[in-house]
Amino acid sequence: EDQVTQSPEALRLQEGESSSLNCSYTVSGLRGLFWYRQDPGKGPEFLFTLYSAGEEKEKERLKATLTKKESFLHITAPKPEDSATYLCAVPGTASKLTFGTGTRLQVTL
Amino acid sequence: EAGVTQFPSHSVIEKGQTVTLRCDPISGHDNLYWYRRVMGKEIKFLLHFVKESKQDESGMPNNRFLAERTGGTYSTLKVQPAELEDSGVYFCASSPTGGGRETQYFGPGTRLLVL
Repeated sequence: EDQVTQSPEALRLQEGESSSLNCSYTVSGLRGLFWYRQDPGKGPEFLFTLYSAGEEKEKERLKATLTKKESFLHITAPKPEDSATYLCAVPGTASKLTFGTGTRLQVTL
Repeated sequence: EAGVTQFPSHSVIEKGQTVTLRCDPISGHDNLYWYRRVMGKEIKFLLHFVKESKQDESGMPNNRFLAERTGGTYSTLKVQPAELEDSGVYFCASSPTGGGRETQYFGPGTRLLVL
């Protein structure tokens, strides 16, 4: 059974203070890894897909990386509007996604 | 392009009542998924439609849950009779052609509270 573990559960940063979120996974065969952002009261919003170890994707202040066992979401010089819950998920053989519990990020002034 | 929409946004019902949730996927998306997040837990898969056919319903918790997708467009998820443990947020997602490597786009969710 696929498993996804995210850490930390919560992270509080000051504006401009860079950090990284971790997503560890156990899958029978990696078909990709998805990062989503979720704001309170809304559904997950797609950020990145990574397909193979060594791959990196960037979008504004976010950069996602992938190894054979884990993925990192690096946040550089975050702003308050980056505050959200960040979710990672892996697809199974039948397309269903297995999610982690997420990291709640709060960025303060 | 309109995203995935869900109705209602919130529902409060009493134990034993029936509730029907609706999901309209992105136009042209053959694949439709239902997920659920209960308090304090991760988002979990319920089922997957390809057009009007159920491809995978391994996540459906029990026979009180009935999902349909008539005509391969919108989908409904009916809970009858509702129990307290059914409370949570129900998300719908869609993707164009399926396959594990394809991005699933999520709706805003329906927040269900069973009293």
